[in-house]
Amino acid sequence: QQQVKQSPQSLIVQKGGISIINCAYENTAFDYFPWYQQFPGKGPALLIAIRPDVSEKKEGRFTISFNKSAKQFSLHIMDSQPGDSATYFCAASISNYQLIWGAGTKLIIKP
Amino acid sequence: ETGVTQTPRHLVMGMTNKKSLKCEQHLGHNAMYWYKQSAKKPLELMFVYNFKEQTENNSVPSRFSPECPNSSHLFLHLHTLQPEDSALYLCASSPAQGGTNTGELFFGEGSRLTVL
Repeated sequence: QQQVKQSPQSLIVQKGGISIINCAYENTAFDYFPWYQQFPGKGPALLIAIRPDVSEKKEGRFTISFNKSAKQFSLHIMDSQPGDSATYFCAASISNYQLIWGAGTKLIIKP
Repeated sequence: ETGVTQTPRHLVMGMTNKKSLKCEQHLGHNAMYWYKQSAKKPLELMFVYNFKEQTENNSVPSRFSPECPNSSHLFLHLHTLQPEDSALYLCASSPAQGGTNTGELFFGEGSRLTVL
């Protein structure tokens, strides 16, 4: 019940394409769903986050889509750029306590 | 310096060695965390300190011993580690654990540990 399942494990997208990473959870008590971005040699950094009172949040080229009934949320990267190549982690928590993390998706944007 | 700083960035140690990882945050935060990151696995939370008090210990073996002398500094003391402990150890901080904060964690760049 505490798991967050992330897919795919790796993803290759052409420059300018749309990158989509999906996460699913079981615990309906989760109320905070962030996405973190990690570049090689760096720690993860918060990219965008959503709470379950909205179905979508957009920040620039990055959008989180949230489906409460399906217990799924996804990250969409529009107009993907080589600089977006990184590992992306989804996570979930209850009231900002311990984050439960997905296993990560290694995204490669081909020029 | 700003943000979260971890030292050393790389560490190689034998199974009988004793070493320590250090983390320092300059963000004025009150919660600090140790995570273990292994390839293709979710980040594993090891320890949490909130206002210098340990609030989480996720069944971490006693060969890992944390220390939080103040809200700005966090140590992870390592003793008689196993090869399977080789991983990237990440330190993070947040304004506080839980409550009304945004929930954002600020990570350091990690200490890459290799146990021979």
